Amino acid sequence: GAGVSQSPRYKVTKRGQDVTLRCDPISSHATLYWYQQALGQGPEFLTYFNYEAQPDKSGLPSDRFSAERPEGSISTLTIQRTEQRDSAMYRCASSRGMNTEAFFGQGTRLTVV
Amino acid sequence: AQTVTQSQPEMSVQEAETVTLSCTYDTSESDYYLFWYKQPPSRQMILVIRQEAYKQQNATENRFSVNFQKAAKSFSLKISDSQLGDAAMYFCAYAISNFGNEKLTFGTGTRLTIIP
Repeated sequence: GAGVSQSPRYKVTKRGQDVTLRCDPISSHATLYWYQQALGQGPEFLTYFNYEAQPDKSGLPSDRFSAERPEGSISTLTIQRTEQRDSAMYRCASSRGMNTEAFFGQGTRLTVV
Repeated sequence: AQTVTQSQPEMSVQEAETVTLSCTYDTSESDYYLFWYKQPPSRQMILVIRQEAYKQQNATENRFSVNFQKAAKSFSLKISDSQLGDAAMYFCAYAISNFGNEKLTFGTGTRLTIIP
């Protein structure tokens, strides 16, 4: 696609429910990142993929968080048993790799009530 | 661990004037990248400028330029001829040079207001 696309743009969920966020990166971009941005803060790294491999998931805050990129293109971020503290903007970015520019999507604003 | 510090939560500047946003970082690496990102009210993340640490020459991009002081671990952004469209949150970010991984560490941001 022309840019990084994330869906949904907004998600409101009840505490304890599972949510899945989707990221469609720029076509042919090898590397895909997930970031979490709390209100008034800078984005914080969660995990990244090189194609379908996930070399670093050190930023995932707990085992309730998981991400997949099974075919090396679209990725999903799943949060199980959501808590209010999970409320944030979740951003996806993609790049060609090799220390090239990362392009960000518009983000998914998650609110847990 | 790498950290990025932006000590100015808010800045304001008169339209057409020049403003400088500060950023310092802490790292033990010798090869890395530094960035400034702009986040307008739409909350998109837009790359403004990028600097490779091995390059001594400061990066410039039209009205945007940086003052990169490697020894001092300082990376400030200068915006010349400020325009109303420059109003946004600005984030400084750092990434280690590593094949296929440009994991960004962001500062907490500086909110820039442009006064007409």
